[in-house]
Amino acid sequence: GNSVTQMEGPVTLSEEAFLTINCTYTATGYPSLFWYVQYPGEGLQLLLKATKADDKGSNKGFEATYRKETTSFHLEKGSVQVSDSAVYFCALNTGFQKLVFGTGTRLLVSP
Amino acid sequence: NAGVTQTPKFQVLKTGQSMTLQCAQDMNHEYMSWYRQDPGMGLRLIHYSVGAGITDQGEVPNGYNVSRSTTEDFPLRLLSAAPSQTSVYFCASRRRDRAYEQYFGPGTRLTVT
Repeated sequence: GNSVTQMEGPVTLSEEAFLTINCTYTATGYPSLFWYVQYPGEGLQLLLKATKADDKGSNKGFEATYRKETTSFHLEKGSVQVSDSAVYFCALNTGFQKLVFGTGTRLLVSP
Repeated sequence: NAGVTQTPKFQVLKTGQSMTLQCAQDMNHEYMSWYRQDPGMGLRLIHYSVGAGITDQGEVPNGYNVSRSTTEDFPLRLLSAAPSQTSVYFCASRRRDRAYEQYFGPGTRLTVT
């Protein structure tokens, strides 16, 4: 079946540090891959997406590259801010309605 | 646009009580979904709808009912609440042609004692 595996958190960083949150997937077919972000007290928001192999999604300084050979979609940011503190979810979609989410990784950024 | 709205934000129920979680969207989206979020388990799909009058089960449908009489509204009903239904519930909607671009409501935190 389809599944997403994320690194366990929390990830604790100081402001301006480099961020990597690992995500690997198992899927039949050719999934599209996404990162969603959930700020405290809010619902999830789409952060970035990639729909085919070697695509790079980017938004708000975050990037992730769709790596078919390693079935990965790691999230990176060169310099995190306190305002990036949130829970980040990796997800995949192989068509139609259903998104499959990872368990989420909490990021805590201190000043 | 208000986007996706959910009410209530918080609710405490006793085992066996019933209630309805409300969800509405004003974006004229065809698809709507209900998810529950539990620690260490991410989001799991409960029920979804591809349009008014059409609903289907997701990954964890037991104990929940849904109906979709209008495009805008997609209520989730708990007929007899159980402690295992303590969770945060999210409603989401999207356009038919954008499977990835789901818009989520702010969530309802439900506690069943």
